[in-house]
Amino acid sequence: QSVLTQPPSVSAAPGQKVTISCSGSSSNIENYSVSWYQQLPGTAPKLLIYEDNKRPSGIPDRFSGSKSGTSATLGITGLQTGDEADYFCATWDSSLSAGVFGGGTKLTVL
Amino acid sequence: EVQLVESGGGLVQPGGSLRLSCAASGFAFSSYWMNWVRQGPGKGLVWVSRVNSDGSSTNYADSVRGRFTISRDNAKNTLYLQMNNLRAEDTAVYYCARGAFFEGFGYWGQGSLVTVSS
Repeated sequence: QSVLTQPPSVSAAPGQKVTISCSGSSSNIENYSVSWYQQLPGTAPKLLIYEDNKRPSGIPDRFSGSKSGTSATLGITGLQTGDEADYFCATWDSSLSAGVFGGGTKLTVL
Repeated sequence: EVQLVESGGGLVQPGGSLRLSCAASGFAFSSYWMNWVRQGPGKGLVWVSRVNSDGSSTNYADSVRGRFTISRDNAKNTLYLQMNNLRAEDTAVYYCARGAFFEGFGYWGQGSLVTVSS
């Protein structure tokens, strides 16, 4: 059971928008930067968002991140079939003195 | 081009040991925090350990503390994970990843499969 809680799955139609939540606590999300990763089947994870809402170079602005209190959210607009993947949030946890990942959310583009 | 290449995985019996290596190239290795992250079969990502840029500070997940040791050799641009007293639940693909948590893990290796089974 992960310290960070994500919905197991979300789905939406091509062209639509979807949001993925990541719920934590004051020992992690509320006080530390959140990053988001996309993992396509059979590949290594890829950084989508860091420092809550920043995009690395090469990541399209269809991907966005936000944070409020103990929760963070990944937003994806203009959904494409190529966005079908698992998405993970991550941050540091001061109570555990350890890094933590969310359990992951499988995105299906119908 | 930044590259991280893991090696050292394989089949090991419960209670056995294995050392993973992650060879880094294309960037100033000695300037970055480095991490190990694992993923069990059909499971999510689990952070395992991290080491700071000069190797003087390390952290571990509870599940591996006391059994695994992370280290680095900045002269060889290589990250290591010594895994002792391995258990079936340690079976996973192990990734090395560059970066501190605040900046995100911007680069990942291709992963090295560790299977613990008799």
